[in-house]
Amino acid sequence: EAGVTQFPSHSVIEKGQTVTLRCDPISGHDNLYWYRRVMGKEIKFLLHFVKESKQDESGMPNNRFLAERTGGTYSTLKVQPAELEDSGVYFCASSQDYSLTDTQYFGPGTRLTVL
Amino acid sequence: QKEVEQNSGPLSVPEGAIASLNCTYSDRVSQSFFWYRQYSGKSPELIMSIYSNGDKEDGRFTAQLNKASQYVSLLIRDSQPSDSATYLCAVNSLGTGGFKTIFGAGTRLFVKA
Repeated sequence: EAGVTQFPSHSVIEKGQTVTLRCDPISGHDNLYWYRRVMGKEIKFLLHFVKESKQDESGMPNNRFLAERTGGTYSTLKVQPAELEDSGVYFCASSQDYSLTDTQYFGPGTRLTVL
Repeated sequence: QKEVEQNSGPLSVPEGAIASLNCTYSDRVSQSFFWYRQYSGKSPELIMSIYSNGDKEDGRFTAQLNKASQYVSLLIRDSQPSDSATYLCAVNSLGTGGFKTIFGAGTRLFVKA
């Protein structure tokens, strides 16, 4: 069974440009999460989808970030326009159930560098 | 105060020794606790989860939870150089939108051969 995949693995863009990150969860996992790790800091929650619906987007930094999950399958996270402080590693995770004890499986992350 | 605190390390132990990793959390109503291992440039990988007070053992790993002290730890027995990684403590807490997973910044472990 394929794990969580993310594309691209690295992205280097200039301030003001737009970048779209993609996440493909494990097949059959209704729950999809986006996280971000800024260098030297902890991994921080951005948002959570249940199928195609946003369950919780309280971690999204501002309205320059837009996440979608069309059809409840893969998800995209768009940053527009990108700022320097958006640099970091963006992780996606998926889980089968939505419970306090359910295991989240993480993708390899997308390293975003904004110059 | 950070919600989940870990010593950033690095924690250096000789091969074969016990590595002890500690984590404290601030939300008293936190209900589930996880330890992830992350190799450099790789994704976090779940190695232990614990939900009730006491010890939980899985192979060379033992997780310990003390909810009264808001403390969770991970012991790695017979440490191997392949255990060298960053260990992330994560806590699930109920919020207004459901539950959130809150991570500590991680402790870097270095096992010397």
